[in-house]
Amino acid sequence: QKEVEQDPGPLSVPEGAIVSLNCTYSNSAFQYFMWYRQYSRKGPELLMYTYSSGNKEDGRFTAQVDKSSKYISLFIRDSQPSDSATYLCASSSYNTDKLIFGTGTRLQVFP
Amino acid sequence: GAVVSQHPSWVICKSGTSVKIECRSLDFQATTMFWYRQFPKQSLMLMATSNEGSKATYEQGVEKDKFLINHASLTLSTLTVTSAHPEDSSFYICSAAHPLLAEFVSYEQYFGPGTRLTVT
Repeated sequence: QKEVEQDPGPLSVPEGAIVSLNCTYSNSAFQYFMWYRQYSRKGPELLMYTYSSGNKEDGRFTAQVDKSSKYISLFIRDSQPSDSATYLCASSSYNTDKLIFGTGTRLQVFP
Repeated sequence: GAVVSQHPSWVICKSGTSVKIECRSLDFQATTMFWYRQFPKQSLMLMATSNEGSKATYEQGVEKDKFLINHASLTLSTLTVTSAHPEDSSFYICSAAHPLLAEFVSYEQYFGPGTRLTVT
């Protein structure tokens, strides 16, 4: 079993839709949870990160962590064609250098 | 924000030759850099952690004699793929740890744009 699981998609939505991207993880020691956006043939770009359980909001993006169910979510409101990219979740535990990535979900927002 | 560059962005080499990829932190000093490998439609797999002035720490299954990592300065780490074979063809991405921007971790990782290696 992979430590971080993510549905690869693709996920195709119309412009303006609310997008829900999800990951599950298996390692109870994970404390930090990140979402990265990766455009084709580019390196990942950090979007948001959260610590432990709870929600964090930044503009149109909301990150949510439920440690009881080991579930990580990223919500995108009012999605735009420019949001079309692959979204990677990543997790790490306290005092470690390593990020464990999911496979990424490819999102396409069409006009 | 923190900027990380990689060079080259794309390289084709013949089987048996060696290829060097550079990773630079442009506007900050990074004591720690990471090298990842990404296959199409797959996740980033950490290959090794590179610390300035010391030997790199390789992940299990990564051949250290094949993937030579040198972190000679606080702004430069290099990955050399030695005696490359077609199965080494992949997207190689580096990241640099920025120690000042993080809230609750000791650093944040900023990623370079990646290097696509094709071995013929």
